[in-house]
Amino acid sequence: EVQVVESGGGLIQPGGSLRLSCAASGFSLSDHWMDWVRQAPGKGLVWVSHIHNGGTYTTYADSVKGRFTISRDIAKNTVSLEMSSLRAEDTAIYYCVRVSNFNFDFWGRGTLVTVSS
Amino acid sequence: QTEVTQEPSLSVSPGGTVTVTCALSSGSVFPSHYPNWFQQTPGQAPRTLIYNTDSRSSGVPDRFSGFIFRDKAALTITGAQANDESFYYCVLYMGDGIWVFGGGTKVTVL
Repeated sequence: EVQVVESGGGLIQPGGSLRLSCAASGFSLSDHWMDWVRQAPGKGLVWVSHIHNGGTYTTYADSVKGRFTISRDIAKNTVSLEMSSLRAEDTAIYYCVRVSNFNFDFWGRGTLVTVSS
Repeated sequence: QTEVTQEPSLSVSPGGTVTVTCALSSGSVFPSHYPNWFQQTPGQAPRTLIYNTDSRSSGVPDRFSGFIFRDKAALTITGAQANDESFYYCVLYMGDGIWVFGGGTKVTVL
């Protein structure tokens, strides 16, 4: 069964760092794109970052470029999102999504990140 | 900065038809933008309804259909039911691994 499960969210002070993880099961990260999408409280969905199935190509939304880093561990079949210099506006539920042939086909349940002093 | 625009809200009568559109600020939507459509109820993760313009995800009723019409991607709900009342989002592929979501449409069934 295909699953993606996020973890690592929590309360963090402005300027702090946090690492989110996405555990994938039922498929190999080598075969699929993986993306992060976030949703601020009461707001819409926003694409955040992408890692290609080859693992070497990554992209970011302008709002997080230079502060967030996406990576993956093939052995653990896990995707990570390292977030630094966090701001209040980064407060959101962060979803990990498998994208297969341009199809957002499997979503995790999300992990909540709250940036507040 | 490319923006994707949706109607903020729409309403439909039970059994009626409603169409949500997804427009690009920079021009027309093409199949190469691989439009996806999602349904989301409060407190839940999004559910993918449509991908690659018009392909329905597994288990999605055929009253949901996707297409491109007059330079926009569109999602039509035919024979709307009470449980279709939800938020609907589109996303478009900009190339180089970059996607842009629309702002979302609240569909009310009344």
